[in-house]
Amino acid sequence: DIQMTQSPSSLSASVGDRVTITCQATEDISNSLTWYQQKPGRAPKVLIDEASNLQTGVPSRFSGSGSGTDFALTISSLQPEDIGTYYCQQYADLWTFGQGTKVEIK
Amino acid sequence: QVTLKESGPALVKPTETLTLTCTFSGFSLNTGGMRVSWIRQPPGKALEWLARIDWDDDEFYSTSLETRLTISKDTSKNLVVLTLANLEPVDTATYFCARHPSSIGYFDYWGQGMLVTVSS
Repeated sequence: DIQMTQSPSSLSASVGDRVTITCQATEDISNSLTWYQQKPGRAPKVLIDEASNLQTGVPSRFSGSGSGTDFALTISSLQPEDIGTYYCQQYADLWTFGQGTKVEIK
Repeated sequence: QVTLKESGPALVKPTETLTLTCTFSGFSLNTGGMRVSWIRQPPGKALEWLARIDWDDDEFYSTSLETRLTISKDTSKNLVVLTLANLEPVDTATYFCARHPSSIGYFDYWGQGMLVTVSS
């Protein structure tokens, strides 16, 4: 099974800060990676697909990069509405989620 | 408009079998390429994919839970059923169903989720 290691598990940053979350796969998944944002009590929402493809309606401050085994989600200027938990998910071989990164405002 | 909704018991006892139903609208599991999965999330923990069923009746299961899981569908009623046998307290989680056409790798529509507690 492909495992996904996400870091950090949580972070606290100020409004306007640049924030980066990383995700590492145990084997090459090419660009078969999705990033989700989840708010408490809600289902996850897709932000980025195919590692770097921004979904329609998602603010341009979100971006994704990487391929193979190493990936990153970057928020260029953190906003208060960005608080929540972020998950990576691979779909190269069935589906596996990362452990999540909880983002808070300092 | 695509919607999915999970239903089933909120409380079950250890060793029992959980049966959850996902009732959906706005799409058909008779459509080529259509798939529905179940995903769960223990309180405060990460998402875990459980099982998938396809328009052509193919089934896929999480390797860690495959001996306990069964997924099925009733296309005439637009529903997907998941059973999880031999429940333990660690199976306490919010269970989601989600749609994902084969043309994409992500789950594009999700149900609201339902919390299932396993306790005696």
